[in-house]
Amino acid sequence: QKEVEQNSGPLSVPEGAIASLNCTYSDRGSQSFFWYRQYSGKSPELIMFIYSNGDKEDGRFTAQLNKASQYVSLLIRDSQPSDSATYLCAVNGDNQGGKLIFGQGTELSVKP
Amino acid sequence: EAGVAQSPRYKIIEKRQSVAFWCNPISGHATLYWYQQILGQGPKLLIQFQNNGVVDDSQLPKDRFSAERLKGVDSTLKIQPAKLEDSAVYLCASSLLTLKGGLAGTDTQYFGPGTRLTVL
Repeated sequence: QKEVEQNSGPLSVPEGAIASLNCTYSDRGSQSFFWYRQYSGKSPELIMFIYSNGDKEDGRFTAQLNKASQYVSLLIRDSQPSDSATYLCAVNGDNQGGKLIFGQGTELSVKP
Repeated sequence: EAGVAQSPRYKIIEKRQSVAFWCNPISGHATLYWYQQILGQGPKLLIQFQNNGVVDDSQLPKDRFSAERLKGVDSTLKIQPAKLEDSAVYLCASSLLTLKGGLAGTDTQYFGPGTRLTVL
């Protein structure tokens, strides 16, 4: 059973701090990694994807991938109350099929 | 560019009734996915289509769930008969992905607003 694990939280950080969200996956052959943000009652919204080991930055967001450790993380710099949401990690282990396996999500709360 | 469209947005039915959901993917997206998201959990793939063919339906409860994408564009997901445990949000997503692969990012999935189903 291929799995994606996340801490369910809630993770609480003060406004302006760095929020660090972590995800581990079991399928060593996984190729594509995605972070989605989901506000309460809304559908998942893509934040960013990463394919290669290392860091990928997009504005206040940085995704980090370590395939050897089977670990992917998302850093949110200068956290804002509007960042309060559930963050879903998703892994695509089969580039031919495109099937995503999601973690259960980490709830982030940014306190003013 | 228009996003993924879904309808209805909300549905309340009694157990043993039937229900159908509709999805229209982003124009040009070959692959369409239906996910079930139970409260507090991540989405779980039910079925994946590429054009009008099924790629993966391994987690679709085929005794009660069915889905089709006859013309390779719109799709419908049906539940008949519904059970209490089917209460969830049903999400449709689409991507550019084809089985021949593609450029990085073509497997990125974009989600519709979802249909919240309540089974009483």
